[in-house]
Amino acid sequence: EPEVTQTPSHQVTQMGQEVILRCVPISNHLYFYWYRQILGQKVEFLVSFYNNEISEKSEIFDDQFSVERPDGSNFTLKIRSTKLEDSAMYFCASSQEGRKTLYFGPGTRLTVT
Amino acid sequence: AQSVTQLGSHVSVSEGALVLLRCNYSSSVPPYLFWYVQYPNQGLQLLLKYTSAATLVKGINGFEAEFKKSETSFHLTKPSAHMSDAAEYFCAVTGEAGGFKTIFGAGTRLFVKA
Repeated sequence: EPEVTQTPSHQVTQMGQEVILRCVPISNHLYFYWYRQILGQKVEFLVSFYNNEISEKSEIFDDQFSVERPDGSNFTLKIRSTKLEDSAMYFCASSQEGRKTLYFGPGTRLTVT
Repeated sequence: AQSVTQLGSHVSVSEGALVLLRCNYSSSVPPYLFWYVQYPNQGLQLLLKYTSAATLVKGINGFEAEFKKSETSFHLTKPSAHMSDAAEYFCAVTGEAGGFKTIFGAGTRLFVKA
């Protein structure tokens, strides 16, 4: 069964550094998403991406965040200058169509020190 | 804007007892509703979904949920809890068009006692 994959599984970085989180969505899916979950808290929407552009983003997704689909398979989230409060589990998800089931990757745990 | 409220951040039941996890939603358009489960150190996986067909939806592992428009609810139930059901459960709604973002509730952690 196809699945969403994410790398790395755990990333430790120093405050102010740039990080890139990588995702490979399911191949025939058209909608891509990033969510984050701060330890013990709710799953928060960051951004949705369709047809090679951002279709919606949350207030969390400020100028320090960016997403890219550099080729036909990868979907990346870049945080330009990490802050302590960016420490969280970041989940990539994809869906075949809008409003359909999200398929989540296993997540990348980002720790900012 | 759509939103989801899950009543009870923690629910504890005995093995074999009824599981009831509550979810109320708000959406300005007919919603698509989902329950996802998260086991420790794992991503979220779909339990079941409502997409405007039958109001009683059956999912995996014996779970089901009933969509009640008049109550704006989508509560999750299972007749008999099993130890393996211990996990975090998230109710979610996808409502408005655009990015088709799915909004999650705060989650309910289910504990199952032997």
